[in-house]
Amino acid sequence: DGGITQSPKYLFRKEGQNVTLSCEQNLNHDAMYWYRQDPGQGLRLIYYSQIVNDFQKGDIAEGYSVSREKKESFPLTVTSAQKNPTAFYLCASSRGLTAAADTIYFGEGSWLTVV
Amino acid sequence: QQQVKQSPQSLIVQKGGISIINCAYENTAFDYFPWYQQFPGKGPALLIAIRPDVSEKKEGRFTISFNKSAKQFSLHIMDSQPGDSATYFCAASVNTGTASKLTFGTGTRLQVTL
Repeated sequence: DGGITQSPKYLFRKEGQNVTLSCEQNLNHDAMYWYRQDPGQGLRLIYYSQIVNDFQKGDIAEGYSVSREKKESFPLTVTSAQKNPTAFYLCASSRGLTAAADTIYFGEGSWLTVV
Repeated sequence: QQQVKQSPQSLIVQKGGISIINCAYENTAFDYFPWYQQFPGKGPALLIAIRPDVSEKKEGRFTISFNKSAKQFSLHIMDSQPGDSATYFCAASVNTGTASKLTFGTGTRLQVTL
């Protein structure tokens, strides 16, 4: 089945640790995104990528890093510089059209908790 | 200028009633307005979307009303069912070439009671 797979579903991070969240899609989409969801704040864009080997900062990129070495994969690293990383992280993708906006599809999300 | 304001924060509707969620935006460059439905512990799923050249779009029990001059849009759920109980997010996006940067509202938690 086509879709977006995020792993792990639950992750615990100790203070000072870097952790990486995996995102894989088999939809043949060009564009991929990472959003962070906090209660009462909706979803906020961390990073997005339009093509392989290219990515741009979103609204809250500080303390995060990404890579896009393959079309199918867009991992997110939460670094120790992110002071409040506990949140629900959502990966998404879209076909990436040059015309009007396209439908964005979301994965099932990953819960990150700092312990 | 990127903010999308959504209300109410929570909503309780009886089965068969109409659920109405409202959103307002500032940025006139927004050119796409989707609504997403999210169940607990799951990712959001696209419900319905509208572009600014249309004032209304209907898909089954779900209708978007769009008022370009007022910079407002709303979701109406007719004949609300318990299975509609979820969190609903409005969003707006600006085309950035090949990617769509969505700006989300803060969400409305809908509960449909029997």
